[in-house]
Parts: sequence; structure tokens; C-alpha cells
Amino acid sequence: GAVVSQHPSWVICKSGTSVKIECRSLDFQATTMFWYRQFPKQSLMLMATSNEGSKATYEQGVEKDKFLINHASLTLSTLTVTSAHPEDSSFYICSARDLPTSNYEQYFGPGTRLTVT
Amino acid sequence: LAKTTQPISMDSYEGQEVNITCSHNNIATNDYITWYQQFPSQGPRFIIQGYKTKVTNEVASLFIPADRKSSTLSLPRVSLSDTAVYYCLVGVSYGGATNKLIFGTGTLLAVQP
Repeated sequence: GAVVSQHPSWVICKSGTSVKIECRSLDFQATTMFWYRQFPKQSLMLMATSNEGSKATYEQGVEKDKFLINHASLTLSTLTVTSAHPEDSSFYICSARDLPTSNYEQYFGPGTRLTVT
Repeated sequence: LAKTTQPISMDSYEGQEVNITCSHNNIATNDYITWYQQFPSQGPRFIIQGYKTKVTNEVASLFIPADRKSSTLSLPRVSLSDTAVYYCLVGVSYGGATNKLIFGTGTLLAVQP
């Protein structure tokens, strides 16, 4: 199956700093990428949907100025957590979807564990 | 967003068949139902996907009624290594070009010897 990678797999940062997480589709073109956040013992919550070359669509309650998403190419999307605070500590997972007319399967990355101290 | 709901947890013994149901009454008419398995601190792992009726692969079956407002994941003869959280994922239309993909609340399956 198709492979999605995330980098880094885990990161620790100080409060007030910014962290960038990369999501790459390794062997297919991802027209749509999704970013999820998962707190302990909870389901994955959709943060935003991004289509290549256009602005991301954020879910209600997700601050677009705090969680910057860039999907500049068909194989790379980035999530930048700006001015991180301890409450932003979570497991961030991206996923990518192939061309919507040909494949409805969604491929998930392995996740990035963010800890803000 | 309307919730896509699942039982919080289920218990089973090795060798038994397990059925996990997901309720998704706002599923988009043009999207699929997908089930994933997740172990702690890992990304979701694809199990099975279907649109309607029944789908079977080497690890599971998926039953979808005609109205598509729910689905049931069936795991035959579970083993200890099947202990994990299982999620359904459905596309929900909000009028845009792309459906929003919403996870169910998740079911923790605990398999005992």
C-alpha cells in the first residue's frame, strides 16, 4: 500500500517556541491531506483539511493562526504549531488521500508526539 | 459535527468472533466506510473498507446495511495481538468539494486468553 511518513516522530520543545511537523506521501500524489490531533485515550480529532495549492480548511475551534498548514506540493504538507503551550502537547497524525476520483482510501502517517514543557 | 459513535469497549477471548458496530447517520452519499486498528502511540492501520453490503478480506468482514447509517466490523477468531482500539472512519459532506473524514469514538477491544 501507499506510504505516508511524518517527521519528526517525537519532539520536545519549550513553551513559546514553534514546531514544524512534516507529512510526506512517498509513492503517490496526495491531492488532499488531513491533520488530526489525538489526546490520550481519545479518538482522533480532525484539525484541518488541506488541498494542494489552496488554503487549508480548519475545523471549528482550531485556531488557524496557531496551527499553520502549508500544502505546497502534492507530496508534502507541513503543520507548524506556533507559540506552543503545554496544552498543545498531543499526538499529531497526518493522512493523505489519493486522487478523489480513483481511490477513496486514506493513508496515515505514523504520528508525531509533541511535548511542550 | 454530529458524532460517529461506537461502544467504548468490548471484551473477548481468544478464538471468538468479535463484532464492533459504528453508527454514522450523517455519512456522505458518495463516500466509503473504513475501519482502522490503532496501537498505542502509532498511527491508524487500515483493516477494511466498503461502500455497501458486505466486504471480506483476509483479516475481517464489513457489513453495511442498505441505509448505510451504520456498519459492523467482524473479526473472526481473535487473538491476543488483536487487543487494540478500533475506529470507523466515514466521509461527511458539508457542501464543499471535499468530504470531511470523521473518526468514530473508538472501541477498545481487550482479548483475553
